[in-house]
Amino acid sequence: QVQLQESGPGLVKPSETLSLTCTVSGGSISHYYWSWIRQPPGKALEWMGYVYYSGSTNYNPSLKSRLTISVDVSKNQFSLKLRSVTAADTAVYYCAREGDFYGSGWFQYWGRGTLVNVSS
Amino acid sequence: QSALTQPRSVSGSSGQSVTISCTGTNSDIGGYNYVSWYQQLPGEAPKLIIFDVNKRPSGVPDRFSGSKSGNTASLTISGLQADDEGDYYCCSFAGSHTHVVIGGGTKVTVL
Repeated sequence: QVQLQESGPGLVKPSETLSLTCTVSGGSISHYYWSWIRQPPGKALEWMGYVYYSGSTNYNPSLKSRLTISVDVSKNQFSLKLRSVTAADTAVYYCAREGDFYGSGWFQYWGRGTLVNVSS
Repeated sequence: QSALTQPRSVSGSSGQSVTISCTGTNSDIGGYNYVSWYQQLPGEAPKLIIFDVNKRPSGVPDRFSGSKSGNTASLTISGLQADDEGDYYCCSFAGSHTHVVIGGGTKVTVL
């Protein structure tokens, strides 16, 4: 069974960079699309972007200027960096794997999520 | 404002059926058969319950069913149970540039 686990600081200061890593176990990171999805407290889910195992990426246009998602196949991990954060970036951040090889946009496996607060 | 429109809440008595609508455009729901639905119970991560409009992952009860007509997708929960209470989100593939759009979520309450 594929499992995903987010890790990273739970508190980030405004204007700094939010960095998270997702570690994949129970399966290879190869051949799939890997996404970050976030959820501000009490609000809806927001797709942030994906990285394909080859390293190609696609980002939500609303975040594209601040976001970098990368993959490390040797470690079975992928990562997120969100620059110049504000309080509006406070959210639970989920990593997720798409269900097929084609990037059809459905998310079969999810991490448990990690809450990141942006505050001084 | 979310790209896909869902009702904020629906409710039904135990044993009844409820249907959640999800309205998009020709560029997402109407253009592809890649609609998915997620159940999010309180304090938990979302869980996939429907993909490719109407397919259920292994282990998801057949009380959950999905459909699509034009630019609107629907999720029906039959035989509503107390542990179905939670938030439900629709999601659609939206092309290689946008990739996916997600709805604003619907809170299901069992009366």
